[in-house]
Amino acid sequence: DTAVSQTPKYLVTQMGNDKSIKCEQNLGHDTMYWYKQDSKKFLKIMFSYNNKELIINETVPNRFSPKSPDKAHLNLHINSLELGDSAVYFCASSQEGPPPDSPLHFGNGTRLTVT
Amino acid sequence: DAKTTQPPSMDCAEGRAANLPCNHSTISGNEYVYWYRQIHSQGPQYIIHGLKNNETNEMASLIITEDRKSSTLILPHATLRDTAVYYCIASREALTFGSGTRLQVQP
Repeated sequence: DTAVSQTPKYLVTQMGNDKSIKCEQNLGHDTMYWYKQDSKKFLKIMFSYNNKELIINETVPNRFSPKSPDKAHLNLHINSLELGDSAVYFCASSQEGPPPDSPLHFGNGTRLTVT
Repeated sequence: DAKTTQPPSMDCAEGRAANLPCNHSTISGNEYVYWYRQIHSQGPQYIIHGLKNNETNEMASLIITEDRKSSTLILPHATLRDTAVYYCIASREALTFGSGTRLQVQP
């Protein structure tokens, strides 16, 4: 049973396109996150939702828009994709937080390549 | 927010204990120390966390100094599958992971 699942695993698209990444967690956690891991391997928070409410919105271009239809799902929509958006995007969840005073559980990532 | 510093890389022989150090000299009293690892390009995996006392679970042991300014993650019998990047994080810093320690377990 996958605790935090993301789809798709790989996403290759052209500049200017709009794409979405989906995330679901079956842990019953209240908080979900989107992280971006760039080519230098640093993992940075992008967004966090607690019970469908946006809690954290780091300095991210407004082309990125998270949507949480319920507390088990947090999707990431990206408009007008740019080359610099190429990265691995990880979804995560935690029972509490943010800041997460309980462990983060990560999905296996979505590798986005913009050509 | 507490900053953490870790050595960029370490080697360990298979079957031996791997001791991964972390400095967090500015940690505040209510911040936990968390350890995660990332194997190849998978999602980070939670290992263990602690506040003041030493902790042990099925994966590892965490030793926190009395002044809480540093900690050590111990993998008691490292295997090749433990080769990964290990991240030490103070809970309020968990929003951004640092560069971690790349542990290479040698056969």
